[in-house]
Amino acid sequence: ETTLTQSPAFMSATPGDKVNISCKASQDIDDDLNWYQQKPGEAAVFIIQEATTLVHGIPPRFSGSGYGIDFTLTIKNIESADAAFYFCLQHDNFPPSFGQGTKLEIK
Amino acid sequence: ELQLLESGGGLVQPGGSLRLSCAASGFTFRNYAISWVRQAPGKGLEWVSGISADGDSHYYADSVKGRFTISRDNSNNTLFLQMSSLRAEDTAVYYCVKDTGGNYLNWSFDLWGRGTLVTVSS
Repeated sequence: ETTLTQSPAFMSATPGDKVNISCKASQDIDDDLNWYQQKPGEAAVFIIQEATTLVHGIPPRFSGSGYGIDFTLTIKNIESADAAFYFCLQHDNFPPSFGQGTKLEIK
Repeated sequence: ELQLLESGGGLVQPGGSLRLSCAASGFTFRNYAISWVRQAPGKGLEWVSGISADGDSHYYADSVKGRFTISRDNSNNTLFLQMSSLRAEDTAVYYCVKDTGGNYLNWSFDLWGRGTLVTVSS
């Protein structure tokens, strides 16, 4: 079973900033990692698949990097609309598992 | 519009039962595997159960095995989760999530519902 360690748990940013969110796997998961964005009361939105591929319709301000164990979600030119809860999912092995999530606040 | 809409949550006593439903729309439901994922208050997300597109294969987290049963009605585009012998630690928001796979589950989820809250308390 793969454990995903996500950090930080909370972060605050100013519009225009660039932020990085980390997701570290307890074992090699190739590129079988997705990223999601969830706003309060709304369904989570699929934003990055297979570690680096931007999901259709997601602004290119969002990007993903990494392979194997270490993964990063980067958001450039932060906007107020990016305030949300972000989490990662590994689908390399059963059972699928999630990072603990990062709450991003925009000042 | 692609959508998953959960219902059936509520307050139930420890040891009790509850049945969750998830209505799908905007895609060919019978072609895709579906899972349930939950999030307890203040905790991270936990995968709970998954079912293949044809309904023949079922998968469960160890924490719910023997107590929860997943099923689906492809004629009515609906997913179910029958929960019994409920415990306080089952208290969570339960989400219905669409898999990118069909009869072979990829465990990669591309569509989420908004969730339904289950509270297990006396």
